Amino acid sequence: SQTIHQWPATLVQPVGSPLSLECTVEGTSNPNLYWYRQAAGRGLQLLFYSVGIGQISSEVPQNLSASRPQDRQFILSSKKLLLSDSGFYLCAWSSRGRGIYEQYFGPGTRLTVT
Amino acid sequence: AQSVSQHNHHVILSEAASLELGCNYSYGGTVNLFWYVQYPGQHLQLLLKYFSGDPLVKGIKGFEAEFIKSKFSFNLRKPSVQWSDTAEYFCAVSPLSGGSYIPTFGRGTSLIVHP
Repeated sequence: SQTIHQWPATLVQPVGSPLSLECTVEGTSNPNLYWYRQAAGRGLQLLFYSVGIGQISSEVPQNLSASRPQDRQFILSSKKLLLSDSGFYLCAWSSRGRGIYEQYFGPGTRLTVT
Repeated sequence: AQSVSQHNHHVILSEAASLELGCNYSYGGTVNLFWYVQYPGQHLQLLLKYFSGDPLVKGIKGFEAEFIKSKFSFNLRKPSVQWSDTAEYFCAVSPLSGGSYIPTFGRGTSLIVHP
């Protein structure tokens, strides 16, 4: 069966420090991968998605970047964190294809920027 | 770009009450529709989905949703809620044309069920 891992589960970082959140998927190949930020009362904001190694699409201009160095690995990064980067970050995967596949979400990372 | 509107942001019910959560979307083409649920402390997970065929779809834990194409709606229902249904519910819409299949999520509805 497929599983999706995210780490760390929680993170407290000072303003201006770098960030690296990792997401890995097991039990599937060639997945579409997604990074979301979830804020209370505001739903899920799509940050990045990837349809293959090295292929990243950014949905929202911001202080963050994403990379996909391996087929089942998706990394969310920042060179210098801002206070506004605090939030709950979710990684998800879906089968590759057009549309009709549901997404599977990881446990999330709670990031607090101080 | 499509948008998804969930009308109820916070719903409070007593056990055995009936539930209906509204979801409307704005997109003129063919879509896939989803309801996801996030129980306290757990992963966001799929509750049910509509791809094609019978517009009334059934999901886990007694939930169902009806796709009404003319109203661009996909409302979630449950005849009798339980305390364990306390969770956050998200509607999502994925277009099947226009070049982007990426789903759009609604803002979510927080459901609290009192025992």
